[in-house]
Amino acid sequence: KAGVTQTPRYLIKTRGQQVTLSCSPISGHRSVSWYQQTPGQGLQFLFEYFSETQRNKGNFPGRFSGRQFSNSRSEMNVSTLELGDSALYLCASSLAGAPYEQYFGPGTRLTVT
Amino acid sequence: TQLLEQSPQFLSIQEGENLTVYCNSSSVFSSLQWYRQEPGEGPVLLVTVVTGGEVKKLKRLTFQFGDARKDSSLHITAAQPGDTGLYLCAGARVDSGYALNFGKGTSLLVTP
Repeated sequence: KAGVTQTPRYLIKTRGQQVTLSCSPISGHRSVSWYQQTPGQGLQFLFEYFSETQRNKGNFPGRFSGRQFSNSRSEMNVSTLELGDSALYLCASSLAGAPYEQYFGPGTRLTVT
Repeated sequence: TQLLEQSPQFLSIQEGENLTVYCNSSSVFSSLQWYRQEPGEGPVLLVTVVTGGEVKKLKRLTFQFGDARKDSSLHITAAQPGDTGLYLCAGARVDSGYALNFGKGTSLLVTP
C-alpha cells in the first residue's frame, strides 16, 4: 500500500508571496491533518479534514487555510508569507482522524526569505 | 503552552546502554502515541496506548501509559545506533476534537 505523499518536498518563497502545498493520503483514509514543525515549537496542529469538511482548526492565523477534495487529497495554502512561516509542513492521513493512528508523509520544507 | 512535556530533551548514549524517555501532562488523554522521526522524514508511528496502566513491548522498546492516562514512558533496552532519532509522544484529548497534541520530542543519539 502506498504511503502518504507530499509535493513539493522543498520550496523557497519570498516574504509576501503565497504558497500551496499538496498531500495525497493513503488509499482508503478519509482524514487528513496538517502540522507545522519548527525547532522551537515542535509539531503544532494546523487543521484536520474529513470527507471534505474541516472538523478542527489549530491556533494559527487566517493566512493558513486548507481544503480537501472528494478523492481525499488535500491542499493547504499560506498567503502573505512571513519569515516565521519557514518550517516543515507535515501531512498525516488516518482512517477517521485522531485518536486513530496517523500516518505521516515526508513533509514539505518551506523556506521564506 | 505545551500540553505534553518530554524529558530529557537530548540524550547521547553508547551502544548497549538502556534509556528511558518521559512524556508528562496535566491533561487526561484518551490515547497516546509514540513516533520516531529521522532527519528529513515525517514521524513514523511506533505504538498507540489506550488503557491506563497499559504496557506494550516492541522488541527492545517498552511503552507504558500511566494509570491516570496523563503520562507515558518509553524504555529502550540495549540501545543500538539504529535507534537514533527524534522520539515524539502525541496525545489525543477527549475534548480536542480530531487533533493530536505533540510533545517537543527527545533527540536520541546512540554511538557505536
